[in-house]
Amino acid sequence: DGGITQSPKYLFRKEGQNVTLSCEQNLNHDAMYWYRQDPGQGLRLIYYSQIVNDFQKGDIAEGYSVSREKKESFPLTVTSAQKNPTAFYLCASTKGPRADNEQFFGPGTRLTVL
Amino acid sequence: KNQVEQSPQSLIILEGKNCTLQCNYTVSPFSNLRWYKQDTGRGPVSLTIMTFSENTKSNGRYTATLDADTKQSSLHITASQLSDSASYICVVSRFTSNTGKLIFGQGTTLQVKP
Repeated sequence: DGGITQSPKYLFRKEGQNVTLSCEQNLNHDAMYWYRQDPGQGLRLIYYSQIVNDFQKGDIAEGYSVSREKKESFPLTVTSAQKNPTAFYLCASTKGPRADNEQFFGPGTRLTVL
Repeated sequence: KNQVEQSPQSLIILEGKNCTLQCNYTVSPFSNLRWYKQDTGRGPVSLTIMTFSENTKSNGRYTATLDADTKQSSLHITASQLSDSASYICVVSRFTSNTGKLIFGQGTTLQVKP
């Protein structure tokens, strides 16, 4: 089956810890994206990558970091500098480098800070 | 300011009834508009995508309309089913030369009751 997988589904973090969320796609898509979803708000873009070994900050990149060493993988690290990390995190991908191509989303990771 | 506003915020209907969700936007320059369905705790799934020249598009019991002059879109659900209970997100793409940018609405939560 082709698609996007995210792991883990649920993640708990203690304050001061860094955690890494996994995102893998086997769609052979060029671009990948990380969004944060909070109740009552639209999705907000954290980081995106149009090509391997390159990535760009989105609207709310502070306290997050990413890497894109392989085309199929785009992990997100939530650092201790992110003051309010509890949220639902969604990874997406597009065929081609443009965000306005159709985006396919993964199932999400719910991060809770204890 | 580029914004997407959805109404109502939430909606409860009886199984078998029809409903219409609204989306108003102030995004410019416009690239395309899409509707996503998001089940609780899952990633969004695309229902329809429309460009400037399209004013209606259907996907089964879902029909989206677009009025580019008034910058309004609607999603009509016919003969609702319990499985239609979800959040429906309107997303407008803003054209940029580099990658395009997606502007997300906050979603309408639909509950279908038996």
